[in-house]
Amino acid sequence: EAGVAQSPRYKIIEKRQSVAFWCNPISGHATLYWYQQILGQGPKLLIQFQNNGVVDDSQLPKDRFSAERLKGVDSTLKIQPAKLEDSAVYLCASSSIGTARYNEQFFGPGTRLTVL
Amino acid sequence: RKEVEQDPGPFNVPEGATVAFNCTYSNSASQSFFWYRQDCRKEPKLLMSVYSSGNEDGRFTAQLNRASQYISLLIRDSKLSDSATYLCVVRNSGNTPLVFGKGTRLSVIA
Repeated sequence: EAGVAQSPRYKIIEKRQSVAFWCNPISGHATLYWYQQILGQGPKLLIQFQNNGVVDDSQLPKDRFSAERLKGVDSTLKIQPAKLEDSAVYLCASSSIGTARYNEQFFGPGTRLTVL
Repeated sequence: RKEVEQDPGPFNVPEGATVAFNCTYSNSASQSFFWYRQDCRKEPKLLMSVYSSGNEDGRFTAQLNRASQYISLLIRDSKLSDSATYLCVVRNSGNTPLVFGKGTRLSVIA
């Protein structure tokens, strides 16, 4: 079974530039998450989708970050304009729609963003 | 108070040693508990779920104390390949986001 795919794997930009990340979840997984992991920290949720609807975006800095999942499959996360503190790894995860307490989330390899 | 707290380490232990990691969580409504392993520059991967009765998977034993809101992971007979960061994770219900601790770094030394 193919895992969660993300691209690009690495990105270096200057502050105030824009950047976009792409995620393709595991086939059939209705729930998709974007997490931000800053060096030395655990991942922190940015946004959760169920199919093409947003479930939780309370921690998404909406003045500069946006995300969409138009057809309920692939998703893109955009930062515009980027700040130095956005340097982090952006992890996409997906899970099936079940509500079982131990419903597993599967992570993609992440996109490592460096803002100069 | 952070939702999930764990000692960042590093823990430097010799091969064959037994090492234990602890974690506390603040939300008493949390329903699910996990330990994830993250290798350097890699994504987190599920190591094991943590059940109320405690559970074991080979050299790894996880315990949950709901009254104290405390989770532990014990690794017996440490191997070099166990070197990684171990992330304590909680979740409120089946389809909600994971809440991660900062992770505890383990180095197993030959």
